[in-house]
Amino acid sequence: QKEVEQDPGPLSVPEGAIVSLNCTYSNSAFQYFMWYRQYSRKGPELLMYTYSSGNKEDGRFTAQVDKSSKYISLFIRDSQPSDSATYLCAMSPPHQLIWGAGTKLIIKP
Amino acid sequence: SQTIHQWPATLVQPVGSPLSLECTVEGTSNPNLYWYRQAAGRGLQLLFYSVGIGQISSEVPQNLSASRPQDRQFILSSKKLLLSDSGFYLCAWSVAGFSQPQHFGDGTRLSIL
Repeated sequence: QKEVEQDPGPLSVPEGAIVSLNCTYSNSAFQYFMWYRQYSRKGPELLMYTYSSGNKEDGRFTAQVDKSSKYISLFIRDSQPSDSATYLCAMSPPHQLIWGAGTKLIIKP
Repeated sequence: SQTIHQWPATLVQPVGSPLSLECTVEGTSNPNLYWYRQAAGRGLQLLFYSVGIGQISSEVPQNLSASRPQDRQFILSSKKLLLSDSGFYLCAWSVAGFSQPQHFGDGTRLSIL
């Protein structure tokens, strides 16, 4: 079993929809959680960085962490075609960053 | 602000040839530096990381090596490339501490023929 599981997609939604992207993990020691966006042929770009449980909002993006369920989510409101990219989750125990494989998101105009 | 530069953007090399990829960071001191490889449709595989000049930790045994000759310079090398070395190579930096978010360059797409 992988430490971090992420559905590879692709997830295709119409423009303006609310998008929900998710990762599950198995290690209860994880405390720091991140979401990255990666456009084709580019490096990942940090979107959200959260510690422990709870919600964090930044513009159209909301990151949610549920440590009791070992489940994290990224919500995108009012999705735009420019949001089409691969979204990677990453999480950290004290010594290493563990990555999900990424979910490919397609926003249809 | 901090920036990270990685070059070249694309590289085509024959099997058995040497490799040198370079990464430099600006606007910060004593960063942690990382080399990753990303296979198509797969997550990031950490290859090497460095917490200081001359300090290199290897995560995956292979024919690649890394060096950090200066505080903000990180180099990925190979003496003889294999077909299996093809992939997308990413350099990243973070402030000290492995729980800190990492910031990436735009990567090098390496094709071995």
